[in-house]
Amino acid sequence: LAKTTQPISMDSYEGQEVNITCSHNNIATNDYITWYQQFPSQGPRFIIQGYKTKVTNEVASLFIPADRKSSTLSLPRVSLSDTAVYYCLVGDWGGGADGLTFGKGTHLIIQP
Amino acid sequence: GAVVSQHPSRVICKSGTSVKIECRSLDFQATTMFWYRQFPKKSLMLMATSNEGSKATYEQGVEKDKFLINHASLTLSTLTVTSAHPEDSSFYICSAVGEKLFFGSGTQLSVL
Repeated sequence: LAKTTQPISMDSYEGQEVNITCSHNNIATNDYITWYQQFPSQGPRFIIQGYKTKVTNEVASLFIPADRKSSTLSLPRVSLSDTAVYYCLVGDWGGGADGLTFGKGTHLIIQP
Repeated sequence: GAVVSQHPSRVICKSGTSVKIECRSLDFQATTMFWYRQFPKKSLMLMATSNEGSKATYEQGVEKDKFLINHASLTLSTLTVTSAHPEDSSFYICSAVGEKLFFGSGTQLSVL
């Protein structure tokens, strides 16, 4: 079971780049790393997924070092609407529920 | 992109009644779906794994007779909270395994 550890909260300002790091020391070979964003009273929304190195899409980048024991979600030029809780989830979906345990997430607060 | 539809989004019921929550994968087939419960300002807690055509697998401490799960087709899983009581009031979220793990929008259950 790949347990994850993230900072409980982070603060930043509009227009800044925000990097949130997640530790997952016992990640398994078949595990993928996925980041989700959650607003109050809504389900988690998929942001980005990766296995190794770097992945980039239209909203974020995901950096994964060679040992895969951590990952960093990078949000470029954040806005007030990026205030939310961010979760990293590590697991192999095809392997059942193992690894689908959510950590406490990071509450990101963006200020004007 | 893949969408998971969850219904209803909000339900208020009297103590002792049963409530059914539906989770549908709209544009993909999901052999496996997951049900989570979330309390205010807390992370998601996995309740059970729903597998199409077989019995659900419940996490430790989750009463299977209280939370009935049926996954009768590849696109639909239901969670029935039987004889609901105020302590069952919570935010319930489903997810479905497709190309990635996608989440529904959640159901806020309030038991009076």
